[in-house]
Amino acid sequence: EAGVVQSPRYKIIEKKQPVAFWCNPISGHNTLYWYLQNLGQGPELLIRYENEEAVDDSQLPKDRFSAERLKGVDSTLKIQPAELGDSAVYLCASSLGGVTEAFFGQGTRLTVV
Amino acid sequence: RKEVEQDPGPFNVPEGATVAFNCTYSNSASQSFFWYRQDCRKEPKLLMSVYSSGNEDGRFTAQLNRASQYISLLIRDSKLSDSATYLCVVNQRAGSYQLTFGKGTKLSVIP
Repeated sequence: EAGVVQSPRYKIIEKKQPVAFWCNPISGHNTLYWYLQNLGQGPELLIRYENEEAVDDSQLPKDRFSAERLKGVDSTLKIQPAELGDSAVYLCASSLGGVTEAFFGQGTRLTVV
Repeated sequence: RKEVEQDPGPFNVPEGATVAFNCTYSNSASQSFFWYRQDCRKEPKLLMSVYSSGNEDGRFTAQLNRASQYISLLIRDSKLSDSATYLCVVNQRAGSYQLTFGKGTKLSVIP
């Protein structure tokens, strides 16, 4: 069974440029998460979807970040414009929802220069 | 107070040692609990779920104390391959369920 797939794996962009990350969750997983992880820190939730509905986006910096999950399957996270402080690993995860565990993709390592 | 707190480490232990990690959580409505392992520059991977009755998987034992809001992970007979960061994860009910991670504890097993 395929796991969570993310692309790209690495991205280097100049500040003020836009960037987008893509995630395809495990088949049948209704819940999809986007996390941000800085070096030496645990993952921090940006947004969580139940099917196509964003049920928790309280930590998403909405002035520059946006996300969508059309048709309740794959998802895109966008930053526009990127800032130096956005350099981090962006992790996508999916789960069956409720009290179940989440499975992570390999992440996208973003460097803003 | 952070929602999920862990010993920051790092823990440097010799091969064969027993090491214990602790974690506390603040939301008494938390429903499920996990330990994840994260290798350097890799994604977190589920190590084990944590049940109220305690559970064991080979050299790994996880315990949950709901009254004290405390979770532990014990690793016996440490191997070099156990070197990683261990993340405590709590599934909290805040409207709907959400997974909250601790900062992680770094373990280095030394030959």
